[in-house]
Amino acid sequence: KQEVTQIPAALSVPEGENLVLNCSFTDSAIYNLQWFRQDPGKGLTSLLLIQSSQREQTSGRLNASLDKSSGRSTLYIAASQPGDSATYLCAVQETSGSRLTFGEGTQLTVNP
Amino acid sequence: GAVVSQHPSRVICKSGTSVKIECRSLDFQATTMFWYRQFPKKSLMLMATSNEGSKATYEQGVEKDKFLINHASLTLSTLTVTSAHPEDSSFYICSASVSHYEQYFGPGTRLTVT
Repeated sequence: KQEVTQIPAALSVPEGENLVLNCSFTDSAIYNLQWFRQDPGKGLTSLLLIQSSQREQTSGRLNASLDKSSGRSTLYIAASQPGDSATYLCAVQETSGSRLTFGEGTQLTVNP
Repeated sequence: GAVVSQHPSRVICKSGTSVKIECRSLDFQATTMFWYRQFPKKSLMLMATSNEGSKATYEQGVEKDKFLINHASLTLSTLTVTSAHPEDSSFYICSASVSHYEQYFGPGTRLTVT
């Protein structure tokens, strides 16, 4: 059974700092991995999706990497801003069209 | 882009009553819809997968007679929580996908059972 773990559970940083969020999964046979952002009481916003054949994806100040063989992904946020404060979730999909398995998230607080 | 809506966004009901939550894909036809449940500060747990016109597939431990899912059309799926109890209070999120493409998530519904 696939299990997804995110470390740390919570992170507080000063504005402007670069930071890395970690995600690991137990079964490396995945179809893709996705990073989401969730604001309190809200739904999910998709940030980056990495196909299993890809090593990384970038969008603005965000960069996500994938090392499928070791079962790890990182989300790098450059020059963090208070507006980045949210919970970040990673999720893996094992086959095309199948369910997503989520980690428990990292709650990020960026202090002005 | 693909938009998924949920209605209502918040609902409060009394124990023993039933409540229906709607999930709609607004600008695309969703062949598959997923229903997730999220407890405070916890991750999303898949409850069931529904394909248009067929019965939903429930995850282990999810009572299908308590959480009724109907996917009557390619743009609408409903989750009905029957005989609600306070422990059913949670955040319910749906997602929709077209064939094998990525899932698009709704904004969620906060259910409180008193």
